[in-house]
Amino acid sequence: QQQVKQSPQSLIVQKGGISIINCAYENTAFDYFPWYQQFPGKGPALLIAIRPDVSEKKEGRFTISFNKSAKQFSLHIMDSQPGDSATYFCAASDFNAGGTSYGKLTFGQGTILTVHP
Amino acid sequence: DTAVSQTPKYLVTQMGNDKSIKCEQNLGHDTMYWYKQDSKKFLKIMFSYNNKELIINETVPNRFSPKSPDKAHLNLHINSLELGDSAVYFCASSQLIYRTGETQYFGPGTRLLVL
Repeated sequence: QQQVKQSPQSLIVQKGGISIINCAYENTAFDYFPWYQQFPGKGPALLIAIRPDVSEKKEGRFTISFNKSAKQFSLHIMDSQPGDSATYFCAASDFNAGGTSYGKLTFGQGTILTVHP
Repeated sequence: DTAVSQTPKYLVTQMGNDKSIKCEQNLGHDTMYWYKQDSKKFLKIMFSYNNKELIINETVPNRFSPKSPDKAHLNLHINSLELGDSAVYFCASSQLIYRTGETQYFGPGTRLLVL
C-alpha cells in the first residue's frame, strides 16, 4: 500500500519558471514531511522539511506548502535553474514506539525534474 | 571527508552468488539504515539499526541479513542472489530514531546487477 503518492512522475520547466511537485498522504499520524533531492549517481539529500503545525516553509527558492485537512503538501521551486535538474522525493514519517515506524521515512515515487536553459 | 561511505560502488555478479555491501558513517550517529531503490527510482526502507540493535525490519526476504558490528558500521549480506535483487542499495544514518524530524544522510549507493 502506497502511503505517499507523488505527482507528476516527470516535469519539464524552462529556466526561470516555477516547478511544482505535489504529494498526498493517507496516514494521519505522519508528523514530519521532508523533501529529498537526488542527482544522478548520488544518494538523496535533504532539501527542506515541514511539520504539520505550519502551512508554509520557505528556504531560498524552495517552498513547501502544507494542507493538513486535505492531507497534501507540495514543493515549489521558484526561478528554476538547470542546476535544479534532479529527482525529487517527498517523504513522511511518524514515530510509533509500539509499532514499527520509529520515525522511518515513507517516500513518494519521485519526480524527475528537467530545467531547460 | 565522506560522511556516509559504501563499498563497493558497483557490484556485478551471477545469480545464486552471495555478496556483501559495507557501510560506514563518521557522523557519530546512533542510527543507520538500508534502503533499496528499484529501476523506477522508488526508495524503500529495508532495515534500521539503532546502536547495533535491529529496530526496523521491513518485509524483506531472509536472504538479506544486515549486521552492525558497531554503531558506525552497517553491512548487508545477500545470499543466493536473484535477478530481482538488481537495484541501487543506499545506506543512511541519522542522529536519533526515537523521534521524527531527524535528517537522514545517505551514502552514494551501491549499484548491484545480478546476471
